[in-house]
Amino acid sequence: GQQLNQSPQSMFIQEGEDVSMNCTSSSIFNTWLWYKQDPGEGPVLLIALYKAGELTSNGRLTAQFGITRKDSFLNISASIPSDVGIYFCAGHKASGTYKYIFGTGTRLKVLA
Amino acid sequence: NAGVTQTPKFRVLKTGQSMTLLCAQDMNHEYMYWYRQDPGMGLRLIHYSVGEGTTAKGEVPDGYNVSRLKKQNFLLGLESAAPSQTSVYFCASTDGLAARYEQYFGPGTRLTVT
Repeated sequence: GQQLNQSPQSMFIQEGEDVSMNCTSSSIFNTWLWYKQDPGEGPVLLIALYKAGELTSNGRLTAQFGITRKDSFLNISASIPSDVGIYFCAGHKASGTYKYIFGTGTRLKVLA
Repeated sequence: NAGVTQTPKFRVLKTGQSMTLLCAQDMNHEYMYWYRQDPGMGLRLIHYSVGEGTTAKGEVPDGYNVSRLKKQNFLLGLESAAPSQTSVYFCASTDGLAARYEQYFGPGTRLTVT
């Protein structure tokens, strides 16, 4: 099935560094969601975005809904060891559409 | 408010056996979903429901059946398990009303079919 392109696929960073990742699509979405998944756990919703250009924060996390509606970005500031995990995006097209398209995931590893 | 819960958390089946996975949500959400997650494949939609009493096929429905007799529950059945159904299964729910499309996931059920 269709998947959204996420980059980078994985990254090692030092504790305290800022992290950026993005998600791109060939089609337009009306909703972008960002999740974090720890090993053996279910995905946890971090941020939901509903408007082009919208910038939303959740603690040290900030996400943006791209102006073209075809991309979204997630930033993590001052990373800590518990930020380790897989981050993935999801797009939802429009009202009346029930399906979501998921990103390929970014695996984050934080070095203490 | 427990969100989305799933039972069981782990299960081992032999080929040909049947089982039912239960998903429950306490958020009064209209939409519910069953996904499977396999290494390198991401989340794939098995079946979904847009309301009590309704179900629809997703991307990979073969070998699975579902029922949504109550709004808060969504059951996934495997009638005759096959090794290819070894996977982690996630249930999710979405409000769907007032243009709210946040999707919340359960903790998952890890199924092994031998």
